[in-house]
Amino acid sequence: GESVGLHLPTLSVQEGDNSIINCAYSNSASDYFIWYKQESGKGPQFIIDIRSNMDKRQGQRVTVLLNKTVKHLSLQIAATQPGDSAVYFCAEKGGGAQKLVFGQGTRLTINP
Amino acid sequence: NAGVTQTPKFRILKIGQSMTLQCTQDMNHNYMYWYRQDPGMGLKLIYYSVGAGITDKGEVPNGYNVSRSTTEDFPLRLELAAPSQTSVYFCASSYSMRTLYSNQPQHFGDGTRLSIL
Repeated sequence: GESVGLHLPTLSVQEGDNSIINCAYSNSASDYFIWYKQESGKGPQFIIDIRSNMDKRQGQRVTVLLNKTVKHLSLQIAATQPGDSAVYFCAEKGGGAQKLVFGQGTRLTINP
Repeated sequence: NAGVTQTPKFRILKIGQSMTLQCTQDMNHNYMYWYRQDPGMGLKLIYYSVGAGITDKGEVPNGYNVSRSTTEDFPLRLELAAPSQTSVYFCASSYSMRTLYSNQPQHFGDGTRLSIL
């Protein structure tokens, strides 16, 4: 079956450094991927998405890379700030009606 | 715009009680979803709807019911609350043109934290 997982459950980085959060997926037919940020007590907040016909997409301070050969997705956050502390989820579109399959999440903490 | 609004934010139920979690969105999205999130875990899809009058089961539908009488509202019903239903419930919505490349992100509410004792 479909599954989306993460390599590391926690990640600590120094403020100002770049962060890289990784995600593995198993469904080679998935055609759409999303990264969400979830702060404590809040719902997931959309960060960036990428379609399977792309291998890189950039936003403001964030970049998503997609490697379909090894079924790997990553989120890069440039110049990490204290406000970036949160749990980050990757999700893949694994069927009709835009149903998303979510990974377990990675907690990102920023050290001053 | 308020986006996706969920009520209540918190609730404690006794085993066997029933309740309805409310969800409304003002973005005119045709798709709506209910997820549950257990501690330290990702989100699991309970039910979803592609439009008013149409609902379908997700990954974990047992113990829940939904209805979609309007585009804006998508309530989730727990008929006989069980301890296993203690979780945080998130409602989400998205817009789809139902074409091959019409992928759009889902927008989430801030959740309802439900405890069954």
